[in-house]
Amino acid sequence: KAGVTQTPRYLIKTRGQQVTLSCSPISGHRSVSWYQQTPGQGLQFLFEYFSETQRNKGNFPGRFSGRQFSNSRSEMNVSTLELGDSALYLCASSLEAGSSGNTIYFGEGSWLTVV
Amino acid sequence: GEDVEQSLFLSVREGDSSVINCTYTDSSSTYLYWYKQEPGAGLQLLTYIFSNMDMKQDQRLTVLLNKKDKHLSLRIADTQTGDSAIYFCAERGSNYQLIWGAGTKLIIKP
Repeated sequence: KAGVTQTPRYLIKTRGQQVTLSCSPISGHRSVSWYQQTPGQGLQFLFEYFSETQRNKGNFPGRFSGRQFSNSRSEMNVSTLELGDSALYLCASSLEAGSSGNTIYFGEGSWLTVV
Repeated sequence: GEDVEQSLFLSVREGDSSVINCTYTDSSSTYLYWYKQEPGAGLQLLTYIFSNMDMKQDQRLTVLLNKKDKHLSLRIADTQTGDSAIYFCAERGSNYQLIWGAGTKLIIKP
């Protein structure tokens, strides 16, 4: 059974550009969450999607957005990139959203460097 | 607000047991998790415990939960060099998102 797949694994962007990251959850999983990991701030929740609906959103500016497709694949987009957006972006999948989604699996992440 | 705290470093000798501790604040947490992160890699789910349990064992891993003190620990028996990594404690908060500790770097001495 394939795990959580994130693409691209590494990318370099210039300030002001935008970026789209993709996540394919484990087959059968309908909940996808995104997290940002930086040395200074640690792991922070971005948003969670379930059945194509955003269920929860973290405390990030509107430049960070996401969506989920009918096949549960998800994308996140960051517009007008800033140097501080350089981070590892991690996608997590679980069967269900909410308290019944007890096993949460992560992908290898997408390393974004903004120069 | 919700917060998770853990020590930043733990150094143990190969073959000894490692005990990584974590405290959390949200008493309504349903699940608590331990993840492992090796350099350059994503997060590997090690184990989790439901809040109405006080212990869970899985091979070399033992999780202890003291709900009264909001204290969670992960014990790794017979620590090996392959256990070198950063270990993250996380609670599933009231908004179902994961609230993370800063991670404990486990250093293995030969």
